[in-house]
Amino acid sequence: DQQVKQNSPSLSVQEGRISILNCDYTNSMFDYFLWYKKYPAEGPTFLISISSIKDKNEDGRFTVFLNKSAKHLSLHIVPSQPGDSAVYFCAAFSDSNYQLIWGAGTKLIIKP
Amino acid sequence: DAGVTQSPTHLIKTRGQQVTLRCSPKSGHDTVSWYQQALGQGPQFIFQYYEEEERQRGNFPDRFSGHQFPNYSSELNVNALLLGDSALYLCASSLSSGGFYGYTFGSGTRLTVV
Repeated sequence: DQQVKQNSPSLSVQEGRISILNCDYTNSMFDYFLWYKKYPAEGPTFLISISSIKDKNEDGRFTVFLNKSAKHLSLHIVPSQPGDSAVYFCAAFSDSNYQLIWGAGTKLIIKP
Repeated sequence: DAGVTQSPTHLIKTRGQQVTLRCSPKSGHDTVSWYQQALGQGPQFIFQYYEEEERQRGNFPDRFSGHQFPNYSSELNVNALLLGDSALYLCASSLSSGGFYGYTFGSGTRLTVV
């Protein structure tokens, strides 16, 4: 029973264009949603988060949108840069149990 | 300022054996969480330790156990290894008061069970 789903295993985007990574969830009780970035042979690093009471959070080139009615969130990266090539994980957090529930990840490839 | 340190980086074990993985948290952090990441999947929460006690546990069998020491470092023990235990094991440290903010992950231990 996957509570957090990333249905696209990979995504290829031209440098300078917008990258949009998607994530769906099933549990309405999550308090926060997060995006992590992971390079090979490294641990995941925190990128950006959004509270369940918000619908948008922006940090530089990264913006996360939350649609609670659709139980869907997305990460927008504008403009995409070669260093953005990595695996991106969507994760959900509940204050009640301290757990991070992760999606399977989307591998983003930025083409020069 | 060292981040999260995990040892060893790679490990090969035989089915039925036991393994111990180690984690040193980031300086100033008092909470350690362990995750299992199978190939092609996201990390799965195993358990979290705070004040030397298991505070929360995910859906893992009792073969998975842990410990936290007074210096906040932690160990993950897996008994009676199965082929399906082959995975990347990630340790994350944080402040107990910080929620998910400031979770710092180590690079992981790659365990292969043959």
